[in-house]
Amino acid sequence: SQQGEEDPQALSIQEGENATMNCSYKTSINNLQWYRQNSGRGLVHLILIRSNEREKHSGRLRVTLDTSKKSSSLLITASRAADTASYFCATDGETSGSRLTFGEGTQLTVNP
Amino acid sequence: DAGVIQSPRHEVTEMGQEVTLRCKPISGHNSLFWYRQTMMRGLELLIYFNNNVPIDDSGMPEDRFSAKMPNASFSTLKIQPSEPRDSAVYFCASTHGLQETQYFGPGTRLLVL
Repeated sequence: SQQGEEDPQALSIQEGENATMNCSYKTSINNLQWYRQNSGRGLVHLILIRSNEREKHSGRLRVTLDTSKKSSSLLITASRAADTASYFCATDGETSGSRLTFGEGTQLTVNP
Repeated sequence: DAGVIQSPRHEVTEMGQEVTLRCKPISGHNSLFWYRQTMMRGLELLIYFNNNVPIDDSGMPEDRFSAKMPNASFSTLKIQPSEPRDSAVYFCASTHGLQETQYFGPGTRLLVL
């Protein structure tokens, strides 16, 4: 299976609610990134967390990293309809150089 | 900055034809990546270059695929001959250092009939 695997595959919530997406990976990493993809568009980087960090914030985004469990979570607070998109985690792997491995993504739908 | 530029945005071709996808990375970026995205296989790395040199092409599916980067501002991904199973969205991404944020282009949506 892929290095990064998101859970759930799809998530539907109401505007104003929080959305939590999880990512698990298998090998040691240097950093983990989260990207967003709107339908028909390219991926856009959201946030990067390094292996020695446990939590990071950026606006309404909160990312956690648990290297002992090889997992990360992305929390979007006070969601908006415009947050509707697919969200991917990407890991680099200690031995993969700059090569990123992307998970299959979580499709988030925020209903107005 | 215009971001990563890809052309064409859409390509429809017939099986057996040659397809060339183009990418202009962000100025100053020294790493360039080609990805393919399909519903079945998700986002796959095909090849990446660092300072115009191919570093890892293990993701290139077969000999029908080739990629070049003749200079720091231009790269091509060529499929010859194309097959229906090559239908996908092909993304180019660039970055200014190893293990850093990648900036994606808008993608080329390829349909091989």
